[in-house]
Amino acid sequence: DGGITQSPKYLFRKEGQNVTLSCEQNLNHDAMYWYRQDPGQGLRLIYYSQIVNDFQKGDIAEGYSVSREKKESFPLTVTSAQKNPTAFYLCASSIGLRQAAYEQYFGPGTRLTVT
Amino acid sequence: GDSVTQMEGPVTLSEEAFLTINCTYTATGYPSLFWYVQYPGEGLQLLLKATKADDKGSNKGFEATYRKETTSFHLEKGSVQVSDSAVYFCALSDITSGTYKYIFGTGTRLKVLA
Repeated sequence: DGGITQSPKYLFRKEGQNVTLSCEQNLNHDAMYWYRQDPGQGLRLIYYSQIVNDFQKGDIAEGYSVSREKKESFPLTVTSAQKNPTAFYLCASSIGLRQAAYEQYFGPGTRLTVT
Repeated sequence: GDSVTQMEGPVTLSEEAFLTINCTYTATGYPSLFWYVQYPGEGLQLLLKATKADDKGSNKGFEATYRKETTSFHLEKGSVQVSDSAVYFCALSDITSGTYKYIFGTGTRLKVLA
């Protein structure tokens, strides 16, 4: 089955540690995205990537970093510089960015707790 | 700038009641509009979409019509079920200005009681 996988589902870290969240897709999509979701709030875009080896900052990129070395993979690193890292992180993909009508396909999410 | 505004939740209904969740948008261009649904502990799933004025998106008994004159995309269902309990997000996508934008509303939680 085609889809997006995120691992792990739950992640616990101590303050001051960097942590990397995995996102893999087998949909052959060019575009991939990372969102952060906090309770009672909508989704906020962290980073997105249109093609391999290219990515753009979203609305809340500070304290995060990404890489896109393969079409299928778009890992997100939450660094110690992120002031409030505890949140639910969602990865998504779409066919591309050239048409506004493309819907996004989401993974099941990773809940990160930093103490 | 572009934005999406949804009605505040939670919305609590009895089974078989009629559902409306309001969504209005502002956009500098000519966006596509979407409704996504999120069940507890999961990612979002596309529910329906519309890409031009007067288009009606529909899926699983849910409907929404792209109203350019009122900049709205309200979600409706004639008879809700307990299994419809979830959070619903309205979203827009716009590349008219040359810059990619995909904006989500804050979500509306729906609780359906048996």
